[in-house]
Formats: sequence, structure tokens, C-alpha cells
Amino acid sequence: EVQLVESGGGLIQPGGSLRLSCAASGFTVSSNYMSWVRQAPGKGLEWVSVIYSGGSTYYADSVKGRFTISRDNSKNTLYLQMNSLRAEDTAVYYCARDSELLWAFDIWGQGTMVTVSS
Amino acid sequence: QSALTQPASVSGSPGQSITISCTGTSSDVGSYNLVSWYQQHPGKAPKLMIYEVSKRPSGVSNRFSGSKSGNTASLTISGLQAEDEADYYCCSYAGSSTLGVFGGGTKLTVL
Repeated sequence: EVQLVESGGGLIQPGGSLRLSCAASGFTVSSNYMSWVRQAPGKGLEWVSVIYSGGSTYYADSVKGRFTISRDNSKNTLYLQMNSLRAEDTAVYYCARDSELLWAFDIWGQGTMVTVSS
Repeated sequence: QSALTQPASVSGSPGQSITISCTGTSSDVGSYNLVSWYQQHPGKAPKLMIYEVSKRPSGVSNRFSGSKSGNTASLTISGLQAEDEADYYCCSYAGSSTLGVFGGGTKLTVL
């Protein structure tokens, strides 16, 4: 079965760090374009970051310099390292697959909640 | 990175058709045929409904269709059903510096 399963969310103080994981099954992460998309409570979707199949990485301005996307091909897992967290980073974080770089996310994980609060 | 503009809410009766608009700029929707639409039920992950403006993934009902004119993309749902009640989001590629941008979302109510 093709699926994505996120983990690593939780409650973290402002200024802290957290690493999210997204384990894939049924397809190869490194052969696809993988993104993180977040959704603040009661709000809309926001694209956060993408890693291309070739390894290039890109970020939304709101997280540039603080978040790092990466992958472990041996574990078929996508990561999002989040540093210098702010209250406005509070959201459900989804990982999503875009198999042909059409900016069409056809597979989504169930999401993991990150709460930044003191 | 301004979000694409969608109406906050739309409504329709079962069997009717509704259209949700998604207005961007000449830097995103107007320049690329890389507009996608997502359906999201409460507490669930989004589901891809339309990609490349008007293409439907396998398994998505043909009651869902997409189009684009200038800087505005549209999602039309015909023959409304109770199960269509959800939030809908558009997304567009916005060039090599901005990459991806979503709309603010539209809540569809089936009366």
C-alpha cells in the first residue's frame, strides 16, 4: 500500500527545535518530489518546503533559514528539521508526494501536530 | 508569498452545481498550467481532486472539473452530494523563487 506516516510532533517552547519524520511505503522517496505542507489551527494550507528527486531543496520565505528538509534513502524517510521555532509555526504538518513535479500532491500523510508554546 | 484568493464559503442544494474561484496573479495562476485542487474533510488530510488545471486523478468522480481563464482558476462540482461538503483549496506553482502557493480555502455547504 502506498502511504506516508508522519511522526515527531509535540509541544515545544519558543526558540526550541524539533525534527519531523515521514516514513514512506509502497514507493521510493528519492524518486519523487516530496513536500511539507502545514495547516495552522482553523486556517488554510501553507506550502513549507520541497526536496526534488535530484536533491535540490526549496523553502517558503516564512521558514527559510530555520527549517531544513532532508531524506534518508536507506530508510525511505523524509525529514523536516525545525529550529528557532515560533508560536506562528504551530500547525499540523503534512508530508506529501508530487510524483512528476506538477505541483499536484497525490499522496498525503495523516499529519503530525506541532505546538510552540511556553 | 501571498495566498491565492478564494471565496470563504459557497453553498448549494443536492443535485445543483457550484463553482469555486481561485484568483492569483500573472506570476502564478496566470503563467502556469500547474493549478491543483484539494478536498479536505474535518480532521482529515487533503485529497487531490484536480491537477494541471483540469485533469482528474484516477478514482475522482467526473462530477469534479477544473478550468482556468487568465489569472483565475475554477473548480466546478456538478450534481452536488452531501459527501461533497468539505473545505476546498487551490494550489499553484508560482515560479522558481516562490515555488508553491495555496488559496485560503473555501467551505462548501450542501444545504
